[in-house]
Amino acid sequence: GAVVSQHPSRVICKSGTSVKIECRSLDFQATTMFWYRQFPKQSLMLMATSNEGSKATYEQGVEKDKFLINHASLTLSTLTVTSAHPEDSSFYICSATKGTGVVAFFGQGTRLTVV
Amino acid sequence: QKEVEQNSGPLSVPEGAIASLNCTYSDRVSQSFFWYRQYSGKSPELIMSIYSNGDKEDGRFTAQLNKASQYVSLLIRDSQPSDSATYLCAVNYAAGNKLTFGGGTRVLVKP
Repeated sequence: GAVVSQHPSRVICKSGTSVKIECRSLDFQATTMFWYRQFPKQSLMLMATSNEGSKATYEQGVEKDKFLINHASLTLSTLTVTSAHPEDSSFYICSATKGTGVVAFFGQGTRLTVV
Repeated sequence: QKEVEQNSGPLSVPEGAIASLNCTYSDRVSQSFFWYRQYSGKSPELIMSIYSNGDKEDGRFTAQLNKASQYVSLLIRDSQPSDSATYLCAVNYAAGNKLTFGGGTRVLVKP
C-alpha cells in the first residue's frame, strides 16, 4: 500500500498565530513530499517540494518565511503557517512519492480557517 | 510555462452513460500522466496512470494517451451517481517527480 496521513484534518486559529500541519507516509519511505494549497472551486497549486534532509524548494510567489517546511525524516514532513491571516484560510494537502517514482499519494488534507 | 488544460464543466451525463473527459498538455517531453478523482472537500485519489500511447483499461475506467497530439483522455463507462466528482489530470514533466495539475473537470451523473 501507499498510505499518507495528514493531521489535523481541520483547524481553526486566531489571526497572528502559527499552525503546524503534519504529513506522514505510513507504509513507505517518502524521499519527496509536496505541499499544495487549494482554494474553493480551484485546482491544486503547488507550494513547495520537500526533500528529506534538505531545504524545501518553494514555487514562485510562495513566501518561504511564512510557510515553513521541515522534512526531518523519510516519513514525516511538516508545514507551519506562521502569523496566519484570514487570507491564508484554505485547504492544504500534502502528497508523497515512493523512492524515485512519480505517482503521488495524497494525505487527507487540512482545512485551515483563520479567524 | 508548462500547462495542463481541462474543460471545467460541469459535464452532465445520465446514469449508465459514458463520460468522456479530455486533457491537453503543453510540453512534448512529458512522460507520465495521471487521472485523479476529487470529491468535494476531500483530497485527490488516484484513478489511473498511463505512460505510453494507446489505451489502458481498469474496470469502468479507460485512459487514452496520444503523445503526438499531446492529449490524454479518460472514459468512464456505465457512469454512476457516485462518480460525480471533479477529475484532475496531472502530468509529470521530464525533470524531477513534480506533477502539474489541470484545473479539473466537474462531472455530474444524474440518476
